[in-house]
Amino acid sequence: QQPVQSPQAVILREGEDAVINCSSSKALYSVHWYRQKHGEAPVFLMILLKGGEQKGHEKISASFNEKKQQSSLYLTASQLSYSGTYFCGTEWDSGAGSYQLTFGKGTKLSVIP
Amino acid sequence: DVKVTQSSRYLVKRTGEKVFLECVQDMDHENMFWYRQDPGLGLRLIYFSYDVKMKEKGDIPEGYSVSREKKERFSLILESASTNQTSMYLCASSLSLAVLDEQFFGPGTRLTVL
Repeated sequence: QQPVQSPQAVILREGEDAVINCSSSKALYSVHWYRQKHGEAPVFLMILLKGGEQKGHEKISASFNEKKQQSSLYLTASQLSYSGTYFCGTEWDSGAGSYQLTFGKGTKLSVIP
Repeated sequence: DVKVTQSSRYLVKRTGEKVFLECVQDMDHENMFWYRQDPGLGLRLIYFSYDVKMKEKGDIPEGYSVSREKKERFSLILESASTNQTSMYLCASSLSLAVLDEQFFGPGTRLTVL
């Protein structure tokens, strides 16, 4: 039930771009993205809702393909502060009108000077 | 700012002990969550609650129970701790009942069961 994230890890130089992918086998209502820096709690980046609405970060963008149950996070002109582990969370109907968020295993992003 | 606090940053317990992990949020959020985080496995949902005295099982509820007697407080209980429950435990809260909104996480409790 966990969404699958790829790649598992990526190393970038400052200024380079990266794409992190998230795919699910379930029909999704939304996709959430979080970043966790080493030793800290995860922090919200954005939510992508079914129907195209997006809420969140100014400098990081993402897409959500509802039909394919996939989302991608785009990190452009990466900065050292982008380093961390990125988690996608997929929201799905767990039955009886209850919705659940399930996180992937994470993608570790390292930005080097 | 929303603040989610957890009772301990580090906890060491013995096998078979009953363990209580406490979480408090100060922003009147409806939803509260307990996750465990293990290397390479990501964040896995144990239980969540969308209202006082209400609870729903997550993906890995076995060996755990929860209690939500007050809106601001959500407790995770390990009835009889085992070594495979050694992990980082994260609590989170979110505002809305209607949709799964942005979650605010606490700093985590690193539990070691000997």
